[in-house]
Amino acid sequence: GESVGLHLPTLSVQEGDNSIINCAYSNSASDYFIWYKQESGKGPQFIIDIRSNMDKRQGQRVTVLLNKTVKHLSLQIAATQPGDSAVYFCAENMAGFQKLVFGTGTRLLVSP
Amino acid sequence: GAGVSQSPSNKVTEKGKDVELRCDPISGHTALYWYRQSLGQGLEFLIYFQGNSAPDKSGLPSDRFSAERTGGSVSTLTIQRTQQEDSAVYLCASSLHGGTTYEQYFGPGTRLTVT
Repeated sequence: GESVGLHLPTLSVQEGDNSIINCAYSNSASDYFIWYKQESGKGPQFIIDIRSNMDKRQGQRVTVLLNKTVKHLSLQIAATQPGDSAVYFCAENMAGFQKLVFGTGTRLLVSP
Repeated sequence: GAGVSQSPSNKVTEKGKDVELRCDPISGHTALYWYRQSLGQGLEFLIYFQGNSAPDKSGLPSDRFSAERTGGSVSTLTIQRTQQEDSAVYLCASSLHGGTTYEQYFGPGTRLTVT
């Protein structure tokens, strides 16, 4: 069945370091992927997305990499800041379906 | 402009009681989603409304759960005869159009605790 999972439940980094959050997905028919950031007590906030016809997309301080061969998605955050501390979720969508399948999340802790 | 709002922010109820959770989407957004987030878990899709189309109810966990969207705007999620396993944060999201390739904007959620 469909499943999206994360390798590391918690990632601790120092301020200024680069962070990499990983996500594995199992449905090879998924064609759209999104990363969300969720701060404590708030709803998820869109960070960046990528379609399956791409393998890399860059935003402001963030980069998403997609490896369809091994069904792996990663989020890279450059120069991590304390304000980046949150839970990060990946989500996938399969073509023709109207709902996202979310992973369980990775908590990012940034120390000053 | 205003984002997605949800009420109440917190709800404590006794097992067996009914609860209603409200979502006010962003004005003009035609699509509305309900999700459930259990402690330490990801988001579980519950139901999806798109315009005047029949809602996609495929994620509702049991017939105790129902939702409606009146006038294409405000939505209410109702849980009848609540059980302790219903305790979770219930999140609402809206997007300009249907289809998951449009960005979904989430509300802050309603934390439901069933005692």
